[in-house]
Amino acid sequence: EDKVVQSPLSLVVHEGDTVTLNCSYEVTNFRSLLWYKQEKKAPTFLFMLTSSGIEKKSGRLSSILDKKELFSILNITATQTGDSAVYLCAVRNTGNQFYFGTGTSLTVIP
Amino acid sequence: GAVVSQHPSRVICKSGTSVKIECRSLDFQATTMFWYRQFPKQSLMLMATSNEGSKATYEQGVEKDKFLINHASLTLSTLTVTSAHPEDSSFYICSGNRENRNIQYFGAGTRLSVL
Repeated sequence: EDKVVQSPLSLVVHEGDTVTLNCSYEVTNFRSLLWYKQEKKAPTFLFMLTSSGIEKKSGRLSSILDKKELFSILNITATQTGDSAVYLCAVRNTGNQFYFGTGTSLTVIP
Repeated sequence: GAVVSQHPSRVICKSGTSVKIECRSLDFQATTMFWYRQFPKQSLMLMATSNEGSKATYEQGVEKDKFLINHASLTLSTLTVTSAHPEDSSFYICSGNRENRNIQYFGAGTRLSVL
């Protein structure tokens, strides 16, 4: 059964901390892995990863994929209260099906 | 873990026909269900929020009469695309919120192609 598992389910940190969010997957015919940030309504797209070992970076956020071990991590450095959100991981297969994890709820305390 | 089943996974239909997509929470009661549509560049757009037993709340710009949502029970929500046109071709995803938890469980999505 294809699935995506995210951990932890929730996380509370203080401003300035660095956090690492995990996403492991078991999806046949893998095509890409995507990270989203969901604050209120629809998730906002962050990264798409297709190749192992290549880090994608955007400001304080970075992500990397390991296709051998079937996981990805999302790092956020120097966290701010505006980073509080649910971070979703999704895997797309070659048939264009998406499998979403349950998300990690991040709360950043001032 | 909680499972949301979305059916069908893929549908091809002629222009003018209506298509119904089902979203079921298999092992939990989903007091709230969400319907999303995926656009190019991977962005997801929230179409509507449905609560069991009440009318769905549609986001701005989403036609209520075009996208009919019914949340008749705590385990089933349906989205009907009425009189579908090629521009409705997209990937539709549902998710369910487990009662009292801030966690969404997503269905696998439905790829709609309107010819």
